[in-house]
Amino acid sequence: AQSVTQLDSQVPVFEEAPVELRCNYSSSVSVYLFWYVQYPNQGLQLLLKYLSGSTLVKGINGFEAEFNKSQTSFHLRKPSVHISDTAEYFCAVSNTGRRALTFGSGTRLQVQP
Amino acid sequence: GAGVSQTPSNKVTEKGKYVELRCDPISGHTALYWYRQSLGQGPEFLIYFQGTGAADDSGLPNDRFFAVRPEGSVSTLKIQRTERGDSAVYLCASSSTGTGGKTDTQYFGPGTRLTVL
Repeated sequence: AQSVTQLDSQVPVFEEAPVELRCNYSSSVSVYLFWYVQYPNQGLQLLLKYLSGSTLVKGINGFEAEFNKSQTSFHLRKPSVHISDTAEYFCAVSNTGRRALTFGSGTRLQVQP
Repeated sequence: GAGVSQTPSNKVTEKGKYVELRCDPISGHTALYWYRQSLGQGPEFLIYFQGTGAADDSGLPNDRFFAVRPEGSVSTLKIQRTERGDSAVYLCASSSTGTGGKTDTQYFGPGTRLTVL
């Protein structure tokens, strides 16, 4: 079985400040890791994914994440956030044996002016 | 091109009624997934189709839930004898393939918000 933990349900941050959204996972097999963003009243959109190779993954809108196998983490970072980054962010995991995604409970990023 | 579409966008029904939710995947995508997202939670997997067949239905909560994909394209999620606890947003996703050594990006539709009164 696999699981994802997003410890922070809400992260308030001021515009142009850096942000880190934390994600930890648990799995007995090798995993694939994803970050999705959900803007208000919209569907889930893929930000970035880790399948293999370089542990630092760059995504859309200036976001990046680093896969850390020893700490079973895949934290999402952005050096300078904008008001438009206000949204719900979901970390998810899958593996070669199970295509379905297992999601965390989400982190609401609130960017304040 | 067109993304994943879902109809209806909203569905209100009464306890005990039967509902059908439709998903149109991205053209050519062979893999299709259904998830359910309750308020304040992340999406939870329900069922995964590879072509016409259900490759993994381990997420279906009970036998009131059933899904079909008869021609390998459009899928319908069917819920019998709806209960208030079924109220949630039902999400559909598709990907270009579910086979091979690596997983493919799942593209999500906007969801159907189901409210059971």
